[in-house]
Amino acid sequence: DGGITQSPKYLFRKEGQNVTLSCEQNLNHDAMYWYRQDPGQGLRLIYYSQIVNDFQKGDIAEGYSVSREKKESFPLTVTSAQKNPTAFYLCASSMREQTGELFFGEGSRLTVL
Amino acid sequence: AQKVTQAQTEISVVEKEDVTLDCVYETRDTTYYLFWYKQPPSGELVFLIRRNSFDEQNEISGRYSWNFQKSTSSFNFTITASQVVDSAVYFCAHPRGNTDKLIFGTGTRLQVFP
Repeated sequence: DGGITQSPKYLFRKEGQNVTLSCEQNLNHDAMYWYRQDPGQGLRLIYYSQIVNDFQKGDIAEGYSVSREKKESFPLTVTSAQKNPTAFYLCASSMREQTGELFFGEGSRLTVL
Repeated sequence: AQKVTQAQTEISVVEKEDVTLDCVYETRDTTYYLFWYKQPPSGELVFLIRRNSFDEQNEISGRYSWNFQKSTSSFNFTITASQVVDSAVYFCAHPRGNTDKLIFGTGTRLQVFP
């Protein structure tokens, strides 16, 4: 089935450690996104990529890094520089010409101990 | 600034009641899209509807309907005869300019009790 797969679903990390969240899509979509969801704050855009080997910062990129080496993959690294990393992370994709219709994965919940 | 406001944090209803979720937006664009997404307990957001600002006709899809009023910058979502499966968090969203970068509201959690 076509869709977006995020892993792991749950992740625990000690302070000071980097962690990478995986996002893979088989929808042949050009654009991919990472959003962060916190209680009461809706979704905020971390990074997005419209095409392979290119990505741009969103509203809250500090403390995060991404890569887009393949069309189907857009991993997110939460670095130790991110001050409040505990959150729910959602990956999404879209066809470039479909403005706003995003397909989401089931999310990864990161807890920093 | 572009902004989406969902003033209702949480709504609880009993099955078969009708419920309306409010969405108010601010935009500098003359033409724009508006969206509703549903987030069930499983976590992934599911696209429900996209409306173009040119089209102010109300839209109905089964038990779902949307009322778009440019004059009040509102794009409200009504569920008729609610069901327990409608329990979810619902987000209204608006793209930043002519892009796919969505600005989301803070969401409304709907709980439908049997």
